[in-house]
Amino acid sequence: EAGVAQSPRYKIIEKRQSVAFWCNPISGHATLYWYQQILGQGPKLLIQFQNNGVVDDSQLPKDRFSAERLKGVDSTLKIQPAKLEDSAVYLCASSSYRVGTEAFFGQGTRLTVV
Amino acid sequence: AQTVTQSQPEMSVQEAETVTLSCTYDTSESDYYLFWYKQPPSRQMILVIRQEAYKQQNATENRFSVNFQKAAKSFSLKISDSQLGDAAMYFCAYRSALETGGGADGLTFGKGTHLIIQP
Repeated sequence: EAGVAQSPRYKIIEKRQSVAFWCNPISGHATLYWYQQILGQGPKLLIQFQNNGVVDDSQLPKDRFSAERLKGVDSTLKIQPAKLEDSAVYLCASSSYRVGTEAFFGQGTRLTVV
Repeated sequence: AQTVTQSQPEMSVQEAETVTLSCTYDTSESDYYLFWYKQPPSRQMILVIRQEAYKQQNATENRFSVNFQKAAKSFSLKISDSQLGDAAMYFCAYRSALETGGGADGLTFGKGTHLIIQP
């Protein structure tokens, strides 16, 4: 089966610009996650969707970050305006709706804010 | 909130030898899942092994095994017969098994251990 697809792989922007990342989960997976991985650290959960509803966005900086999951499939994560500290890898993951099941990850988008 | 601690930023092992990566966690929950993920330079997280907290038997997957000590909140990964392809970042992760909070079950990761394999 096809894995989690993310685009773009790399993005360089200037601070105060906006940027968007796209994720297509594994077919049939109801749960979708966005993680932020700053260099030298483990990934941190930003937001979790169950179908097209938000389950957990407690760690999402809502003043500049937003995310949506249209029709419960693809998802977009946006940053506006970007700050230098947003430089990180943004990982998308998906899983089927069953507690404790494995989450499958995409290859991530490396964002550099200059 | 749960926390995961990996105290070894970097480990080095000779090819074909055995290495153990350490992980401790803190939680007030009694039911949960623990995972070890491998992250090569391609950045994609790959599941190595998982352990259900209610199971006393330690999980094994070929050359990979864990030592799960629930009372001590310790979850170490042992890699036997290390191979060059094992070189990567390894992350320990925690996931709640409770269906509370509307199903929130995102992973909590440690900071990772960089594993180097010496040929």
